[in-house]
Amino acid sequence: QVQLMQSGAEVKKPGASVRISCKASGYTFTSYTIHWVRQAPGQRLEWMGWVNTGNGNTESSQKFQGRFTSTRDTSASTAYMELSSMRSEDTAVYYCARWGILSGSVGAFDIWGQGTMVTVSS
Amino acid sequence: EIVLTQSPGTLSLSPGERATLSCRASQSVSGTYFAWYQQKPGQAPSLLIYGASSRATGIPDRFSGSGSGTDFTLTISRLEPEDFAVYYCQHYGSSLTFGGGTKVEIK
Repeated sequence: QVQLMQSGAEVKKPGASVRISCKASGYTFTSYTIHWVRQAPGQRLEWMGWVNTGNGNTESSQKFQGRFTSTRDTSASTAYMELSSMRSEDTAVYYCARWGILSGSVGAFDIWGQGTMVTVSS
Repeated sequence: EIVLTQSPGTLSLSPGERATLSCRASQSVSGTYFAWYQQKPGQAPSLLIYGASSRATGIPDRFSGSGSGTDFTLTISRLEPEDFAVYYCQHYGSSLTFGGGTKVEIK
């Protein structure tokens, strides 16, 4: 069955970095881009960026440029997201999501990971 | 950057009633990369509608999407108990953005 499985909850101190993994199964990993979306408590979903699992290219939202990095290990069918210089406002649930091509060129997030809670606290 | 504004913020309805959720874009957008998601408490979002009007696999036909340009609508024709949740619209253009969500709660 097609799924994305994320790593577990993290607690980080301000200024630290966090690395979250997202392991894909049930499909050809390199055929779909993985995006990262976060949700602070009680807040809307917020797009962070993506990694092209085929060639490793990445792009981030302007808000996270300089702090967001996403990589992939094709041998492990796993994408990674690292957020650096974390602050309390980065406390959120972080999701990976697959950008599926559903009809022709039409796409959307068709598979989501279960989410990883990251708490930033001194 | 395109801003998506959803209304109302909360919709209080009874099972069996019709729900109409709105998403307005700050400028005209293509419906090709416009989608709706449902999120239940403690869960990841799940895809309902893509391409503004196509239902995702397994989504019942009581869910329908419509709209173009700046105004998009998600309609739930008859609310089932499992439909009470938060709904988000999303667009992917030069950047990717989500609306603020509409909570559909039991009246």
